[in-house]
Amino acid sequence: GAGVSQSPSNKVTEKGKDVELRCDPISGHTALYWYRQSLGQGLEFLIYFQGNSAPDKSGLPSDRFSAERTGGSVSTLTIQRTQQEDSAVYLCASSLHYKNIQYFGAGTRLSVL
Amino acid sequence: SQKIEQNSEALNIQEGKTATLTCNYTNYSPAYLQWYRQDPGRGPVFLLLIRENEKEKRKERLKVTFDTTLKQSLFHITASQPADSATYLCALDEGGSYIPTFGRGTSLIVHP
Repeated sequence: GAGVSQSPSNKVTEKGKDVELRCDPISGHTALYWYRQSLGQGLEFLIYFQGNSAPDKSGLPSDRFSAERTGGSVSTLTIQRTQQEDSAVYLCASSLHYKNIQYFGAGTRLSVL
Repeated sequence: SQKIEQNSEALNIQEGKTATLTCNYTNYSPAYLQWYRQDPGRGPVFLLLIRENEKEKRKERLKVTFDTTLKQSLFHITASQPADSATYLCALDEGGSYIPTFGRGTSLIVHP
C-alpha cells in the first residue's frame, strides 16, 4: 500500500509567520512520530502519538511547537512565530506500536527567511 | 548522559569490498538496535533490527552484530556496490518507551 505521505515537500516562510506541516501515516499504524533533522545532524525527536493515549511531547523545543492527530490518522505539526533556527527538514514516521520499525515520509524542508 | 556515537567522517571504500560501520553507545541498556539507510532528500528506510539477546543478524549482503558488553553494534555490507552509497543511521530503544534514539549517521561512499 501507500507509504507515509508528507506535505508540503518544501515550505519557505518569513520569520514570525505560522506554518502547518501535514503527515498522512500508513493505514493501520497506531504510532506516529515527528522528528527534526538539521543539516549534518541526527534525528531530533519532537513528539509521539500512540493510539488514543496522550501524546509524548517531551521533545518539543518550545511552546511555539504543537501537534495534533485527528481520528488516529493524519497529523499536523504547527510552528507558530517561526524563527530562522526552525529551518530544518521535518520528518514524520509511523509504525505498528508493538514492532517499532519506523516507516518514514520524505519530509518537509522548512526554510525560514 | 546517554550518548550514541557514529563516525562523523565519511567512509570511502572500493566497489566489491566489505564496508563496516560502527555504532557505539554509553549509558543505554537497549532492548534492541536498528539500522536505517538514508539517501539525500529522502526519509530513513529500515534495514535490520537486532535484539539484545542476539549476537548477529543477516539479510542478503547485510550483517549486523550487537555486543552489549562492548556497547557496540557493527554493520557490514559485503560485496559493496556504488548503489550502497548513502548515510546509515543506528537507533537504540530501551524497550519501554517505543521512542528510539537515533545516531547522527555515517556516510558511506562506494567508488566504482
